[in-house]
Amino acid sequence: DAGITQSPRHKVTETGTPVTLRCHQTENHRYMYWYRQDPGHGLRLIHYSYGVKDTDKGEVSDGYSVSRSKTEDFLLTLESATSSQTSVYFCAISEPRQGANGYTFGSGTRLTVV
Amino acid sequence: AQSVTQLGSHVSVSEGALVLLRCNYSSSVPPYLFWYVQYPNQGLQLLLKYTSAATLVKGINGFEAEFKKSETSFHLTKPSAHMSDAAEYFCAVRGYTGTASKLTFGTGTRLQVTL
Repeated sequence: DAGITQSPRHKVTETGTPVTLRCHQTENHRYMYWYRQDPGHGLRLIHYSYGVKDTDKGEVSDGYSVSRSKTEDFLLTLESATSSQTSVYFCAISEPRQGANGYTFGSGTRLTVV
Repeated sequence: AQSVTQLGSHVSVSEGALVLLRCNYSSSVPPYLFWYVQYPNQGLQLLLKYTSAATLVKGINGFEAEFKKSETSFHLTKPSAHMSDAAEYFCAVRGYTGTASKLTFGTGTRLQVTL
């Protein structure tokens, strides 16, 4: 999607290895989010950021950490990947009015943990 | 806390038939509601949104949704289905975490369109 890119698009990793997913935006939006999508669960919020160096946990944050050192980049790290973290990960941004106009989503990262 | 429930994980309609995808919400404050569409191997695209203005909301690709407070519903409809409408549809409600807004999604409804 224009203004927001995720990398990599696909990744296969082994159990126990660290993995970092990147979300990059060119919209200068304050709020950024990481969701995971799983069949039967829809999208669930992992972590979000409300500014540079300001982050907080979502509903499924165990096993994940995030960092935001500059406005445009929001990184999601799996410290030690497990098979239960096999999923499709989406980054989203919102502004203005804190999501009153909805969020813009990236194209997703498909992560497989073997 | 806010939540949404989508009734029916799979819906199948014939091309040209009415599309009706159901969404019920729960919210402690006047809700902002959204419908998103996801085509295979793609991200989510905003179809339409309700933000407390008109209760009948028109979106892209001929879709519309009606906000009914008495029924706590926000069902998505399209008068005539097209093959290109086959996708997964998500209803979402905006909530707050204390430091930011957040969208809470339903579990999704996969729409199949047959000839």
